[in-house]
Amino acid sequence: AQKITQTQPGMFVQEKEAVTLDCTYDTSDQSYGLFWYKQPSSGEMIFLIYQGSYDEQNATEGRYSLNFQKARKSANLVISASQLGDSAMYFCAMSPTGANSKLTFGKGITLSVRP
Amino acid sequence: DAGVIQSPRHEVTEMGQEVTLRCKPISGHDYLFWYRQTMMRGLELLIYFNNNVPIDDSGMPEDRFSAKMPNASFSTLKIQPSEPRDSAVYFCASSRSTANTEAFFGQGTRLTVV
Repeated sequence: AQKITQTQPGMFVQEKEAVTLDCTYDTSDQSYGLFWYKQPSSGEMIFLIYQGSYDEQNATEGRYSLNFQKARKSANLVISASQLGDSAMYFCAMSPTGANSKLTFGKGITLSVRP
Repeated sequence: DAGVIQSPRHEVTEMGQEVTLRCKPISGHDYLFWYRQTMMRGLELLIYFNNNVPIDDSGMPEDRFSAKMPNASFSTLKIQPSEPRDSAVYFCASSRSTANTEAFFGQGTRLTVV
C-alpha cells in the first residue's frame, strides 16, 4: 500500500520569496511517479509537476521545482518568487508504475501568499 | 479536447433520493478515477477503472455507492439512497496508460444532501 504524508497545516510566505512545501511518501514499489497539484479557491485541480522515481535530475517547471530525495522518501515542492495567485491548497500524490496505477493523494497544504 | 467533463456541477437532493454523477474522460485515456473531497478526509480515491474495467473499489464507502463505466467515454457514480454525510465534492479524473503522465481532473460535482 502507498501513503502520502503532508503534515504542514498551513504555510505563509511573503510575495516574491521562495517557499518549500513538504511531502513524504511510503511505498513498496520500486518504480513510481510523484506529482504535485494546486487547488485554488475556485476548486479545480491543476497539475504542476511530475518526478519519476528513476529520474536522476530534480524536475523543474517554471517557478516550480521538486526536491526529490529518494532515500528519505521525500518529494518537496519549491515555489520560487511567490505570487499572490499562488495562494491555494497544494496536494502531493503518487502512483506506482505498472499495469494498474492507483493515484493516491496526501491531505494537502494550504499556502497563503502575503503582499 | 474539452478536458474531463463532469455533470452536473451542483446537485442538491433530499436524503433518501438516488443521485447519479456523470463523467466523460479525455479521449484516449485508459484510466478513470473517482475521488471524493471533504474538509475532514481530504481527497479520497473511491474507485478507478483501467480500460473500462474496475480495478480497485476498496475506497467505495458503502454498498450505497456504485460506479460503472459502460464504454471508454462515459462513467457514472451512483449513490442510492443518499445521506447527508455524502455531501462532498466528487471529482472524476482520467490519465493515459502509464504512471508517467498526470491525471486530468474535471471541474467536480458539488453534492449537497439535505
